[in-house]
Amino acid sequence: AQKVTQAQTEISVVEKEDVTLDCVYETRDTTYYLFWYKQPPSGELVFLIRRNSFDEQNEISGRYSWNFQKSTSSFNFTITASQVVDSAVYFCALSAIKAAGNKLTFGGGTRVLVKP
Amino acid sequence: NAGVTQTPKFRVLKTGQSMTLLCAQDMNHEYMYWYRQDPGMGLRLIHYSVGEGTTAKGEVPDGYNVSRLKKQNFLLGLESAAPSQTSVYFCASSDPASPETQYFGPGTRLLVL
Repeated sequence: AQKVTQAQTEISVVEKEDVTLDCVYETRDTTYYLFWYKQPPSGELVFLIRRNSFDEQNEISGRYSWNFQKSTSSFNFTITASQVVDSAVYFCALSAIKAAGNKLTFGGGTRVLVKP
Repeated sequence: NAGVTQTPKFRVLKTGQSMTLLCAQDMNHEYMYWYRQDPGMGLRLIHYSVGEGTTAKGEVPDGYNVSRLKKQNFLLGLESAAPSQTSVYFCASSDPASPETQYFGPGTRLLVL
C-alpha cells in the first residue's frame, strides 16, 4: 500500500520569507513518481512538478525548489521569497509506474498563508 | 482545447436523491479517474477507467457507480445520496504514453442535506 504524509497542516509566513513544505512517502514499489500540486483559493489543481524515483537530482524553477531524498523517503518543497499569490493548499502525491491506470495517492495537504 | 470539463460546478441534493456527475475530456486520453476531496484528507480515488467500456474500483468506491460508454466521457453516479458524500469531486484523465501525468478538471462541489 502507498501512503503520503504531509505533517504540516498549515504554515503562516510573512511575505518574502522562505517556506519549506515537508512530504514523506511510503511505497513498496521500486519505481514510482512523486508530484506536487497547488490548489489556490479558486479550487482548481495546478500541477507543479513530477519526479521519477530514478532521478534524485534536486530541481529549481524560479522561486520553487524541490529536494528529493530517497534514503529518507522525502520530497520536500521550498518556496523562496514567498509572495501573497503563493497562498494556497499544496499537495504531495505518489504514483507507481505501472502499465495502466496510474493512481495517485495524495497527502492531506499543507495550507500556506502568506501575509503581506 | 477545453481539457477536462466537469458538469455541474455546484449542486445541492437532499438525502436519498440521485444524480450524475459528468466528466468530459477532449485530449483523447484512455485513462480517466474520479476523486473526492475532503478537508484534511487530500484527494482519494473513487473509481477509474483504463478504456472505453471498462471501470475499476478505487480506494473509496462505496455509494458510487461509474460508466464509460464513450472514450471522452466518464460519469459518476450517486444512486441515493448521503450527507457523507458532501465533498468536492475531481475528474482527471491521462494518456497511456505518459500515464503518470493526470490532467484535472475544475471540480464539482456537492452538498447533501
